[in-house]
Amino acid sequence: DQQVKQNSPSLSVQEGRISILNCDYTNSMFDYFLWYKKYPAEGPTFLISISSIKDKNEDGRFTVFLNKSAKHLSLHIVPSQPGDSAVYFCAATPSNFGNEKLTFGTGTRLTIIP
Amino acid sequence: ETGVTQTPRHLVMGMTNKKSLKCEQHLGHNAMYWYKQSAKKPLELMFVYNFKEQTENNSVPSRFSPECPNSSHLFLHLHTLQPEDSALYLCASSQVATWERVTDTQYFGPGTRLTVL
Repeated sequence: DQQVKQNSPSLSVQEGRISILNCDYTNSMFDYFLWYKKYPAEGPTFLISISSIKDKNEDGRFTVFLNKSAKHLSLHIVPSQPGDSAVYFCAATPSNFGNEKLTFGTGTRLTIIP
Repeated sequence: ETGVTQTPRHLVMGMTNKKSLKCEQHLGHNAMYWYKQSAKKPLELMFVYNFKEQTENNSVPSRFSPECPNSSHLFLHLHTLQPEDSALYLCASSQVATWERVTDTQYFGPGTRLTVL
């Protein structure tokens, strides 16, 4: 049973427009969420995170929104750039002391069209 | 070298072979992880080491044997693997959570692409 779901395996967006990547989770114990970005032949790199005490976290072009009641989070990239083309993984964890167990989604491949 | 490195980057082995994957982190972290990524599946956590002690074994078959001799190095010893074990094996590191820093970012290596024939 997948506890973190990314239902869109792929997404294409025009350069300069907004990219919106979605993630849903089922485990109500999750209260810390992360987005990772992965280029081919490289490991995932951390992008942005959000704690359940917030509903929005912004870092430059990247904003993550969290809707706890819907168990849904989204990553917005504005404006989208060709270098943003990658696979994006959503991850979640119950942020208990000492528990670093991240549960990942299957990823969404984002392609930015020049 | 900086960050998290993994060797080899690619490995092809037969089912009767014994091989080892190596991971090294140069970030001063004290927690290290092994993940498995199979095609069209989520990243699966396999093992967690905090301060060289194994704190998580996510129901991994015994044909995978981890070893953490110190906080900077992590090995995954492979023995009598099956073709379905073919996957990308990723190593990651982070600081161990404390009361001041409940969750810290994990930094990943590039992975070892393993093919079992």
